[in-house]
Amino acid sequence: AQSVTQLDSQVPVFEEAPVELRCNYSSSVSVYLFWYVQYPNQGLQLLLKYLSGSTLVKGINGFEAEFNKSQTSFHLRKPSVHISDTAEYFCAVSESGFQKLVFGTGTRLLVSP
Amino acid sequence: DTAVSQTPKYLVTQMGNDKSIKCEQNLGHDTMYWYKQDSKKFLKIMFSYNNKELIINETVPNRFSPKSPDKAHLNLHINSLELGDSAVYFCASSQDLRTAYEQYFGPGTRLTVT
Repeated sequence: AQSVTQLDSQVPVFEEAPVELRCNYSSSVSVYLFWYVQYPNQGLQLLLKYLSGSTLVKGINGFEAEFNKSQTSFHLRKPSVHISDTAEYFCAVSESGFQKLVFGTGTRLLVSP
Repeated sequence: DTAVSQTPKYLVTQMGNDKSIKCEQNLGHDTMYWYKQDSKKFLKIMFSYNNKELIINETVPNRFSPKSPDKAHLNLHINSLELGDSAVYFCASSQDLRTAYEQYFGPGTRLTVT
């Protein structure tokens, strides 16, 4: 069965600093990987996705993630964060052929001035 | 234009009551979902429907009954509400089952059972 682990429940960072949010997955078959963002009191929005091809994927708002098959990881990065990036970030996995997303427990990114 | 909308946004009710949450999407998608997000932000799928047909039912108590009158609507009815039902419920949609990995979420309904 597929599962997603986000080891960091909360990541505090100063504005304009770089950030990495970690995500590891387990699956016995090939997967699709995603990062979703949830701003306060809102629903989830797709930030970026890995389906195939280049292992480095770029998303909205300057975020990018790298798929590492050998380490079963899909870490999210941004070189310089803004206050407005404060939100909950969810990593998700979908096994090819399956019809649902499995989410991690989320990482709260707190950006302070 | 709101892509996926839910009503109500907030719902406060007492144990034992029956309540419904409505969801509508105007994206022309075939597939819709209900998720439950608990107080620790853990998000878990409850149901999915494709063209009004139930596809996924994830070990949810039968007090929860989804209904899809047409493919643009997926409502959630909850009978005999319990304290543990307090959560944020999200509706979502995807183009179809093949693109279930890319979902569009509604703003959520915060249900509080007292």
